[in-house]
Amino acid sequence: DMQMTQSPSSLSASVGDTVAIACRASQSISTSLQWYQHKPGKAPKLLIYAASNLQGGVPSRFSGSGSGTDFTLIISSLQPDDFATYYCQQSYSTPFTFGPGTKVDVQ
Amino acid sequence: QVQLVESGGGVVQPGGSLRLSCAASGFTFSSFGMHWVRQAPGKGLEWVAFIRYDESFKYYADSVKGRFTISRDNSKNTLYLQMNSLRDDDTAVYYCAKDRAPPPIGVLDYWGQGTLVTVSS
Repeated sequence: DMQMTQSPSSLSASVGDTVAIACRASQSISTSLQWYQHKPGKAPKLLIYAASNLQGGVPSRFSGSGSGTDFTLIISSLQPDDFATYYCQQSYSTPFTFGPGTKVDVQ
Repeated sequence: QVQLVESGGGVVQPGGSLRLSCAASGFTFSSFGMHWVRQAPGKGLEWVAFIRYDESFKYYADSVKGRFTISRDNSKNTLYLQMNSLRDDDTAVYYCAKDRAPPPIGVLDYWGQGTLVTVSS
């Protein structure tokens, strides 16, 4: 099965900061990579699909890049609503594995 | 707007069974693949199963293969997850999610709020 790793596992940041979260696949997955935001007690939310495509309604401060095995989610000018856990997920092959998550909290 | 509402969660003993439902609205349910994803307490998201819009393909995580069955009733706009031989490590919040489609599959664009399944004696 495809293994997904993320770094860091957590980070502390302030409103207005730019943060970057890395995701690595154990094998090449082309651009079959999504990013989701998840808050406790809420439904997860799709942010980015196919590595770099912004899902409709998602603010443009979210951006994704990468291909092959290495991917990055960047949140520019962090807003209060952005404090959450972020997961990458590959759709290259079943099972559709998620990364372990990166928790972004208030510094 | 797209709405997904899970139901059927609860407390069940190890070895028991439970059937989860997911009522869908706001989109043409019969045209989209659907997923189940779970989150155990204090853990991350784990993909569980996928079913194609016409039930022609079903995929499962190794951890549930042979115990869980995903199905759907397109006439009722409802997705199901039949869970048998439940184990302690199946305790989790279970989410249903819509596949973004068209192919390739595997992009989960809308999610429900989840239903909690607790396996405990």
